Amino acid sequence: DTGVSQNPRHKITKRGQNVTFRCDPISEHNRLYWYRQTLGQGPEFLTYFQNEAQLEKSRLLSDRFSAERPKGSFSTLEIQRTEQGDSAMYLCASSSQTNTGELFFGEGSRLTVL
Amino acid sequence: KQEVTQIPAALSVPEGENLVLNCSFTDSAIYNLQWFRQDPGKGLTSLLLIQSSQREQTSGRLNASLDKSSGRSTLYIAASQPGDSATYLCAVRWGGYNKLIFGAGTRLAVHP
Repeated sequence: DTGVSQNPRHKITKRGQNVTFRCDPISEHNRLYWYRQTLGQGPEFLTYFQNEAQLEKSRLLSDRFSAERPKGSFSTLEIQRTEQGDSAMYLCASSSQTNTGELFFGEGSRLTVL
Repeated sequence: KQEVTQIPAALSVPEGENLVLNCSFTDSAIYNLQWFRQDPGKGLTSLLLIQSSQREQTSGRLNASLDKSSGRSTLYIAASQPGDSATYLCAVRWGGYNKLIFGAGTRLAVHP
C-alpha cells in the first residue's frame, strides 16, 4: 500500500449516534493530520499527531470529538452524539518529519447525519 | 491572523487555453506552500510543493510560482484539457507550525 487509507468511505447515521473513522497513514510517515471539509470550502484543520502524541487540537474539535493514535501507526477519529452539523468529509493526511513536509491525503470519509 | 485566499472561486475556459489560478496569503513567514487538486467527492491529490526558499516548481503542464514578499502564489496550467476540470486548492504552512491552512479553492471547468 503506497497511499493513505481511510475507512469507511461513507457513513450515514442518525443524530445522536456515535461514529468512528479510521486512518492508516503511509507506513514510514510519523505525522498524521485530521481535517474536515464541508461543501464548497477548503479543508479545516482538526488535529495533528507526531507518532502517538497529539500535539495540536483545533477549537473546532469540540468535546464530542476525540482522536487517538495509540501505537503511532493508524489513527481513529470518534464523534459522539452526532449532530447534523457534523455532516462533512473527514480527511486524513500524513507526512514524514524527514522529508520536505509534503502532506499526502487519503480519499476521505464522508459523514451524513440524518 | 493567518489566512489563505483564492481567486477566482470558479473559472470556465475552453479547451487549449493557458490559465492562471491565484492564491494570496497573509504573513510572508511561510515554511512552504502546496497546491492540490480535488475531484468531486474525492480526496486531495498533491500537485506541487514550493519551499519558502524556492521561486517556482514545475510538473508537466503545471507551474507554480511563489512571491513571499507580496504574499502570492500562482498556478499556471498550460494547454488546458477537459481532464483538468477539478477544484484546485492552495495551502500554506507557516514557520513554527505543523499544519496547512487552506484556501477555499478555485473550481475549474474546461469544456471541449
